[in-house]
Amino acid sequence: EAGVTQFPSHSVIEKGQTVTLRCDPISGHDNLYWYRRVMGKEIKFLLHFVKESKQDESGMPNNRFLAERTGGTYSTLKVQPAELEDSGVYFCASSHLRGSEQYFGPGTRLTVT
Amino acid sequence: GENVEQHPSTLSVQEGDSAVIKCTYSDSASNYFPWYKQELGKRPQLIIDIRSNVGEKKDQRIAVTLNKTAKHFSLHITETQPEDSAVYFCAAFPSRNAGNMLTFGGGTRLMVKP
Repeated sequence: EAGVTQFPSHSVIEKGQTVTLRCDPISGHDNLYWYRRVMGKEIKFLLHFVKESKQDESGMPNNRFLAERTGGTYSTLKVQPAELEDSGVYFCASSHLRGSEQYFGPGTRLTVT
Repeated sequence: GENVEQHPSTLSVQEGDSAVIKCTYSDSASNYFPWYKQELGKRPQLIIDIRSNVGEKKDQRIAVTLNKTAKHFSLHITETQPEDSAVYFCAAFPSRNAGNMLTFGGGTRLMVKP
């Protein structure tokens, strides 16, 4: 079984540019989560999809972040325009059921210069 | 919302010694507590978890204990090996009506010296 995959693995962009991160969850997992780890701090929740619906987006920092999961399969997270403080590692995770094990992707390291 | 504190932030042990990492949580309604291990450049991987109806769980050299009254849980690694070196994260998952996200501790960098 393929694990959670994320693309790209690294992205370096200038302040003001746009970046789109992609996550492919484990096939059949309805629950998809985005998390972020900034500057060696804790991993923080961004949002949660159940299939194509946003279940909880309370962790999204501001309206420069837009997440979608059209069709309930893969998800994208767009940052527009990017700011310096957006730098960090963005993780995606998926789970079969709410409260079951969350499987993490390898993360996308975003550097905004 | 939930708040998880993790200590220590770094831990250095000699190979063969034991390592203990402690976490406290604030929301008494949280009912699932996983531990993730992240090796350098790799994804966080679940190594053990415990639910609130259990006080202790063991899997070979690793064990987790949970004290619901005190709202703290700990990871114990015995007979540490160099390959145990990694960053370890504890997390708490809320009860059904309190959200859907894992709340993580700040991480512990464990270094096992050969």
